[in-house]
Amino acid sequence: NAGVTQTPKFQVLKTGQSMTLQCAQDMNHEYMSWYRQDPGMGLRLIHYSVGAGITDQGEVPNGYNVSRSTTEDFPLRLLSAAPSQTSVYFCASRPLVLETQYFGPGTRLLVL
Amino acid sequence: GENVEQHPSTLSVQEGDSAVIKCTYSDSASNYFPWYKQELGKGPQLIIDIRSNVGEKKDQRIAVTLNKTAKHFSLHITETQPEDSAVYFCAASSDSGGSNYKLTFGKGTLLTVNP
Repeated sequence: NAGVTQTPKFQVLKTGQSMTLQCAQDMNHEYMSWYRQDPGMGLRLIHYSVGAGITDQGEVPNGYNVSRSTTEDFPLRLLSAAPSQTSVYFCASRPLVLETQYFGPGTRLLVL
Repeated sequence: GENVEQHPSTLSVQEGDSAVIKCTYSDSASNYFPWYKQELGKGPQLIIDIRSNVGEKKDQRIAVTLNKTAKHFSLHITETQPEDSAVYFCAASSDSGGSNYKLTFGKGTLLTVNP
């Protein structure tokens, strides 16, 4: 199993540009989530999904969109990037009935 | 909502010494407490977890203790080695219903083990 994979590893954007961060898992986990990690802030939940076709907001959802068309994939979209979205983004997944989450390697995003 | 406080933010120890990281949580409904290790440039990895019906759990050099009454839990690493150097995160989880377990993380502790 590859576990949770994320692409790209690193991205530079200009303010106002859009992009999609990709996340995929091959563990057949129903639950998937996106976190952002900022210095001194820990990990904060952006959006999550409990299954295909179902998404919900986390702690810091503004400026981000998600969709879940398949069990395996959970892309995160930035429609108009802002410097405040400079961060490291982690995708995670888990079985629906268990609490343990498995994280991907992260995407480092710089918005100029 | 849940609030998790983690201390210290940085910890430096000599190789072979013990390291202790402490976390407190606010929501008495939280019942699952994982610890994650994050090495530079990598995603967090689960190293140990504990549930609210257990007071202590050990896995080789790593142990976690939980005091439900005081709402705090701690990570203990004995005989530290340079490869233990990393950022450690604690987290607390409660069920919002329908298996909607929500993890709230502490802000992390940078552990440095000096050879």
